[in-house]
Amino acid sequence: NAGVTQTPKFRVLKTGQSMTLLCAQDMNHEYMYWYRQDPGMGLRLIHYSVGEGTTAKGEVPDGYNVSRLKKQNFLLGLESAAPSQTSVYFCASSSTGKGRALWNQPQHFGDGTRLSIL
Amino acid sequence: DAKTTQPPSMDCAEGRAANLPCNHSTISGNEYVYWYRQIHSQGPQYIIHGLKNNETNEMASLIITEDRKSSTLILPHATLRDTAVYYCIVRVNAGGTSYGKLTFGQGTILTVHP
Repeated sequence: NAGVTQTPKFRVLKTGQSMTLLCAQDMNHEYMYWYRQDPGMGLRLIHYSVGEGTTAKGEVPDGYNVSRLKKQNFLLGLESAAPSQTSVYFCASSSTGKGRALWNQPQHFGDGTRLSIL
Repeated sequence: DAKTTQPPSMDCAEGRAANLPCNHSTISGNEYVYWYRQIHSQGPQYIIHGLKNNETNEMASLIITEDRKSSTLILPHATLRDTAVYYCIVRVNAGGTSYGKLTFGQGTILTVHP
């Protein structure tokens, strides 16, 4: 069971470079999320998607863009990397509940991408 | 979302039950209690969630007090592989604009020792 797969697992960038992080899920989940985790700060939501072709901003969206062209994939882009974006990035997905339980389903996480920006 | 309070660390002997407490005294009626854990260098892993009633699954049990102001996660027979940071999260279960945000606090570092 692959679940949520993130690539790459590690990356080192120079300031100003761009890159794309890929998240793929094989559970046919509608919702997908990108988080970043920094020491002492827990996980913070960057962007999320409620379905193919739709994305929305989370808590800390600045400096990132996302795309959801296929249901199973959610891409996170850094157009011009900055040292402040050094972090561990986690992707997650969840199925939809029904009615009042729309957001009730648990999120399943990948193992993260460790990104360092020099 | 309601704030949660957890002890920063706990120890447990292998094979014994691990009881992890969480206070959420400002929880409101439509907020669920979720538990996740994060083993070193891995992504968070969902454990269990509940609203009012106690819940049990293959991983753990969740006991929620009658006033819903606190809860306890129980790992019935802790193993060394259960050593992780455990997060108690209170989350609104609403549709529309509430996007299901999970607010991870500092959690409890559970160390299971031989």
